[in-house]
Amino acid sequence: EVQLVESGGDLVQPGGSLRLSCAASGFTFSSYAMNWVRQAPGKGLEWVSGISGSGGNTYFADSVKGRFTISRDQSKNTLYLQMYSLRAEDTAIYYCAKTRGYTSSPLDFWGQGTLVTVSS
Amino acid sequence: QSVLTQPPSVSAAPGQKVTISCSGSSSNIGNNYVSWYQQLPGTAPKLLIYDNDKRPSGIPDRFSGSKSGTSATLDITGLQTGDEADYFCGTWDTSLSGGVFGGGTKVTVL
Repeated sequence: EVQLVESGGDLVQPGGSLRLSCAASGFTFSSYAMNWVRQAPGKGLEWVSGISGSGGNTYFADSVKGRFTISRDQSKNTLYLQMYSLRAEDTAIYYCAKTRGYTSSPLDFWGQGTLVTVSS
Repeated sequence: QSVLTQPPSVSAAPGQKVTISCSGSSSNIGNNYVSWYQQLPGTAPKLLIYDNDKRPSGIPDRFSGSKSGTSATLDITGLQTGDEADYFCGTWDTSLSGGVFGGGTKVTVL
């Protein structure tokens, strides 16, 4: 059974940093690209970032480019999202999602999400 | 503003059909597969349709998808109270080199 468990969400001040983690199980982690998608309170889904199965290719939304990095630890079956220079508009539930293959593939399994609040 | 355009809401009586549209451009829907996601209240999104018209295992055939040009459609037939949720279309945008979603459509069963 595929399981994705996010952690690391917290209340952080504007300009601060935070690292989210997503522990994956139930599938061959290194064979699948992974994505982060966020949802601001009461709003729709926003794609944030994606990383290929090998970790060699990464993609970012313009809204986070230069401030966020994505990485994966194949030995720990864990996906990360490192967030810097956080802004109020980054406040959202952050979901990690497994793709069906490539970074551009459909997102077939989602975690339960972790809440990031950026506020002073 | 979302890259893909969906109606904010649709509604119908139990047993009826609803259709949700998703409009994009040649850089996204026009040249990439479309997926649909269902988000029940207070839960994470769930894949409903992928590759325009395919259903993952366990998704009932009351849910169907189609694509034509730069638009896609999700049909829900035999509407049930349990179908009340937000529905999002999504795809890859080749020009942006990133994923894009519609703003979401709230389905209400009258």
